[in-house]
Amino acid sequence: KNEVEQSPQNLTAQEGEFITINCSYSVGISALHWLQQHPGGGIVSLFMLSSGKKKHGRLIATINIQEKHSSLHITASHPRDSAVYICAVRRGSNYKLTFGKGTLLTVNP
Amino acid sequence: GAGVSQSPRYKVAKRGQDVALRCDPISGHVSLFWYQQALGQGPEFLTYFQNEAQLDKSGLPSDRFFAERPEGSVSTLKIQRTQQEDSAVYLCASSYRVEGTQPQHFGDGTRLSIL
Repeated sequence: KNEVEQSPQNLTAQEGEFITINCSYSVGISALHWLQQHPGGGIVSLFMLSSGKKKHGRLIATINIQEKHSSLHITASHPRDSAVYICAVRRGSNYKLTFGKGTLLTVNP
Repeated sequence: GAGVSQSPRYKVAKRGQDVALRCDPISGHVSLFWYQQALGQGPEFLTYFQNEAQLDKSGLPSDRFFAERPEGSVSTLKIQRTQQEDSAVYLCASSYRVEGTQPQHFGDGTRLSIL
């Protein structure tokens, strides 16, 4: 079993819909990252969080440390949100990130 | 430039050839990471530099893989005698500080195809 599991693997939505992507992990962590990867490879860091909730524009990330679970929400989704969203965790003071396989989001106009 | 720069963006090589992939981190960033991302998978850790010191190379899949960062800035990942299973996107990331409290800034990656 992978240390970081994401669901769903693929998600198709209509423009304007509310999107939720889930991440579960099986190890103790010091931080969790949500990353966005567009076709072509480039990765952009969206959030780094260790507790609670963070919001940036239409994106919201939450984490429940006790349940070892995080969610990424996108409100009022738009076709430009189409990308792969990747969850990654850091364990303790270790600099390494362990990544999930990603969720491919397609938002249709 | 403002971000992490990787070159080339695409590399096609014949099996058995040697390749060299370059990473230019953000100026002043102490930490530098290399990751390998196979098709449809998340990135996997290859190696970590703190300035010029390679502190962790536990993720390098074989002794055909070699990385260096001689002056603590630009890094090169070299793959000798390439095999088809080396085909992947190779991502470089840098962060400002040593400890893990800073986000990593990623380059656009080098897509390597071995024929």
